[in-house]
Amino acid sequence: NAGVTQTPKFRVLKTGQSMTLLCAQDMNHEYMYWYRQDPGMGLRLIHYSVGEGTTAKGEVPDGYNVSRLKKQNFLLGLESAAPSQTSVYFCASISVEGNQPQHFGDGTRLSIL
Amino acid sequence: DAKTTQPNSMESNEEEPVHLPCNHSTISGTDYIHWYRQLPSQGPEYVIHGLTSNVNNRMASLAIAEDRKSSTLILHRATLRDAAVYYCILRAPPFGNEKLTFGTGTRLTIIP
Repeated sequence: NAGVTQTPKFRVLKTGQSMTLLCAQDMNHEYMYWYRQDPGMGLRLIHYSVGEGTTAKGEVPDGYNVSRLKKQNFLLGLESAAPSQTSVYFCASISVEGNQPQHFGDGTRLSIL
Repeated sequence: DAKTTQPNSMESNEEEPVHLPCNHSTISGTDYIHWYRQLPSQGPEYVIHGLTSNVNNRMASLAIAEDRKSSTLILHRATLRDAAVYYCILRAPPFGNEKLTFGTGTRLTIIP
């Protein structure tokens, strides 16, 4: 079972470059989330989506944009990467039905030089 | 949002039980207690959840205090594979449309 798949797993960027992180889930979940995790810290919510075509800001949205054009995909974009965005990024999804757990991907390790 | 407090780190010997505490003194009546764990270089994974009664599953047990202001995740026989960061979080309905707050959790070290 694939669950939540993140692409790429690793990436190194130069300051000012742009890139898009892809999250795909095959569980037909309504809600999807993007988190970042810095060394020694917990997860912080960047943006989330409660359905196709809708997105909302989380705790640390600045410098990021997201899109949810298809239910199964949630894209996280960095328009002009900065060293402060060096982090591990996790995507998660959850069913709208009842008290279900969040399912996480294995993360994208991003370094900005 | 109701918050949780966990010790930063704990150690346990392999093959012994582990009790991971979590305090949530401001929990509301509709908050569920969820536990996740994060193995090295992986995303968090769900462990267990409960509301009022103690819960058991194949991974662990969850003991909830009668006043619900604290809970304990119990690993009955720790293995090296249980070395991870364990997060205790609260969730309230309606589920899904909420922002889960993951703190720094408890880093569990298993001693061979």
